[in-house]
Amino acid sequence: DGGITQSPKYLFRKEGQNVTLSCEQNLNHDAMYWYRQDPGQGLRLIYYSQIVNDFQKGDIAEGYSVSREKKESFPLTVTSAQKNPTAFYLCASSITLRSNQPQHFGDGTRLSIL
Amino acid sequence: KQEVTQIPAALSVPEGENLVLNCSFTDSAIYNLQWFRQDPGKGLTSLLLIQSSQREQTSGRLNASLDKSSGRSTLYIAASQPGDSATYLCAVPIYNQGGKLIFGQGTELSVKP
Repeated sequence: DGGITQSPKYLFRKEGQNVTLSCEQNLNHDAMYWYRQDPGQGLRLIYYSQIVNDFQKGDIAEGYSVSREKKESFPLTVTSAQKNPTAFYLCASSITLRSNQPQHFGDGTRLSIL
Repeated sequence: KQEVTQIPAALSVPEGENLVLNCSFTDSAIYNLQWFRQDPGKGLTSLLLIQSSQREQTSGRLNASLDKSSGRSTLYIAASQPGDSATYLCAVPIYNQGGKLIFGQGTELSVKP
């Protein structure tokens, strides 16, 4: 089945450590997104990419980095500069970056601090 | 700046009841509005997407309406079932900024048997 796969489902980070969250899609979508979800605050956009080798900052990009070397993959690195990384991270994709296309979501990665 | 609000934050109803979830947005210049369902610890499942030119979209027991002029959308669920228990989120894309979505905080629905 086509869809978005996020891994791992749970991730723990030590102080000063960088961690990378994986997002893979087999929907042949050009656009991909990373959101962060905190309790009571809804989803906020971290980064998005409209095409391979291109990505743009969202509202809360500080302390995060991404790459888009392949159409299918959009990994998110949570760096040690992100002081409050504990959250639920969701990856999404859409056919293009045009606003009238629906976004499809993965099942998320829950990141916690050790 | 676009803001999306969902009221109430939580709702509990008995099985079989018809119910309405509300979503309001401050900037009426939207391309579309999307309703999602989120089960605990899971990602989002797209339920309905209403284009700005449409007033309603239906899928099974779900009906979503859109009134751009008043900045409101409603999600109507007919004959609710315990399996409908989840958090429902609405979202609108930022005008002219690609697929960047602005989400409401969600309504947590509980349908009691």
